[in-house]
Amino acid sequence: DGGITQSPKYLFRKEGQNVTLSCEQNLNHDAMYWYRQDPGQGLRLIYYSQIVNDFQKGDIAEGYSVSREKKESFPLTVTSAQKNPTAFYLCASNMRSNQPQHFGDGTRLSIL
Amino acid sequence: AQSVTQLDSQVPVFEEAPVELRCNYSSSVSVYLFWYVQYPNQGLQLLLKYLSGSTLVKGINGFEAEFNKSQTSFHLRKPSVHISDTAEYFCAVSVLSSNTGKLIFGQGTTLQVKP
Repeated sequence: DGGITQSPKYLFRKEGQNVTLSCEQNLNHDAMYWYRQDPGQGLRLIYYSQIVNDFQKGDIAEGYSVSREKKESFPLTVTSAQKNPTAFYLCASNMRSNQPQHFGDGTRLSIL
Repeated sequence: AQSVTQLDSQVPVFEEAPVELRCNYSSSVSVYLFWYVQYPNQGLQLLLKYLSGSTLVKGINGFEAEFNKSQTSFHLRKPSVHISDTAEYFCAVSVLSSNTGKLIFGQGTTLQVKP
């Protein structure tokens, strides 16, 4: 079955450490997205990419970085500059702008 | 700028009762509208969508929603809920003209179905 795979499911970060969250899709979707979810705040867009080798900042990009070297992959790095990284991170993709986004099962990041 | 407001943060309801989860949006341009469901520690699953056409949209698991352009609302309804419907529900909009596919989410409504 096609879908979006996020790994790991749980991740722990030490102070001053960068961590990378993986997102892989086999849906042949052009666009991919990263969201951050905090309790009671819904989902907020971190970065998105509509095509390989191109990406744009979302609403809360500070302290995060991404790459899009392959159509299937859109990894998110949470840098040490992100002072409050504890959250649930969701990756999504869609074929084109008027189509619904498909979501992965998320990665929960916590601080040690 | 666009925004989405889900009017209730929590909705408790008894099993087999009807339920309505309310969603209002603010936008000066045309939008696409979506409802997603999230079970604990999982991603979001699409319940239904409104892109164009009939304003009454039917989705999975017996849910339906009605698009009301004049009231800028997209309320979600189910005539009889089950325990398994307990989850968090998100309303989202996407602007037609932006061509980016970005979604703007409401804060979510937790549906608690009691036996």
